[in-house]
Parts: sequence; structure tokens; C-alpha cells
Amino acid sequence: NAGVTQTPKFQVLKTGQSMTLQCAQDMNHNSMYWYRQDPGMGLRLIYYSASEGTTDKGEVPNGYNVSRLNKREFSLRLESAAPSQTSVYFCASSEKGFNQPQHFGDGTRLSIL
Amino acid sequence: AQSVTQPDIHITVSEGASLELRCNYSYGATPYLFWYVQSPGQGLQLLLKYFSGDTLVQGIKGFEAEFKRSQSSFNLRKPSVHWSDAAEYFCAALPADSWGKLQFGAGTQVVVTP
Repeated sequence: NAGVTQTPKFQVLKTGQSMTLQCAQDMNHNSMYWYRQDPGMGLRLIYYSASEGTTDKGEVPNGYNVSRLNKREFSLRLESAAPSQTSVYFCASSEKGFNQPQHFGDGTRLSIL
Repeated sequence: AQSVTQPDIHITVSEGASLELRCNYSYGATPYLFWYVQSPGQGLQLLLKYFSGDTLVQGIKGFEAEFKRSQSSFNLRKPSVHWSDAAEYFCAALPADSWGKLQFGAGTQVVVTP
């Protein structure tokens, strides 16, 4: 019963370094999402993938890229990390259908110095 | 602008007491509404959802929420709180014209005292 698995759980980067956050789901969900969580701001959508082969920008896409590698995997890349990207990142997945509940991973805590 | 507001950043409640968390939304049309709970170091878990129909929605862990269109509110309640209910709670809305783009409130941190 893994659900949504995110790796790594913790990471510290230096400004300007690049990194890819990995996400995999085993629920055969069509849709996947990346959020960032900052204190006092709830979760904000970075990118989403409605189905395999498609990706779209969310509320805060600047500084990020995504890849929907296959139906199971959806990665988030920071090409040149900035301190403003210090956050907790959550991946989520859902059944096809825009109003389906989303299932979340346990998050990746990322610090950029 | 479309938004979800949770007016209470922090609530302290005694174990066994009742709990109510407030959520207000601002959208042109009634969105789909959700409550999620986040325990420390964990992801978000869905407590309940409202799409249409009965305005009182039952969820997991003994929680319920009431949708009030006239007040643009979707408040979460639990009659008797357990220590394990200490967590952060998020209200979220999905506008009818927005594919999968959940919008979250800022969250309410619940502390349970003995």
C-alpha cells in the first residue's frame, strides 16, 4: 500500500545547483500534481499532468520544469535552485476526472542555501 | 479573486471538547470543496468532500462538515476531540471551471490539550 512515493525526503542544495524530485504512484491514477507548501500559504500548485503525455502550468511554475515519464512517474526539476525555492514539495495523484480527490505523498523538504 | 480563507491560524482545544474549524470561499459559482488533514511530517489525507446534494457531509475519523451557500462556508466539526486529532487542517476548493487545480486555504493548526 505505498500510494504516492516521493524521493528524497530531505535535501540541502546550494544556490545555483540543480536537482530533480521524484514521484511515483502505484494506484494506476491518470493525473499527477506537484505542489509547494510554505508557512501561512497552504499548498500552491506548481505543475500538473492530466494524463500521460501532457503537462500544464499551475499557480507558481516559474523556476521549475516537469516530466511525466510514464503513467506512474512525474518528476519536478529545479534547474538553478534559488533560496526562494526553499519549501516542502508534495506530489499528488488522482483518478481521471477533474473533481477526483487527490492522494498525497509524504513530501520532500528542500533547503537552498 | 478566487480564494479560500481559513480565519483561524491556530486553535487550542481540550481533549473531549468539540471542535469547529472555519472555511470560507470566494468564487463565482459554488466550487467542489474538500477538507484535508496533515499530521507532522506527513502528506495530506482527505477527510471529506462536498460536490452537491446533502449539505451535511460525513467523513473519516468522526469528522463532518456543513456547506452553507448563503454564508459561502464549509466548516469542519468534530463532537469530541482526541489527542490524535492534533494536526494541521486544510480547506480546499476546486472551481468548476478549473481542471484539477485545487486551491488551498492557509491551514489551521489544532493543538489538543489533556
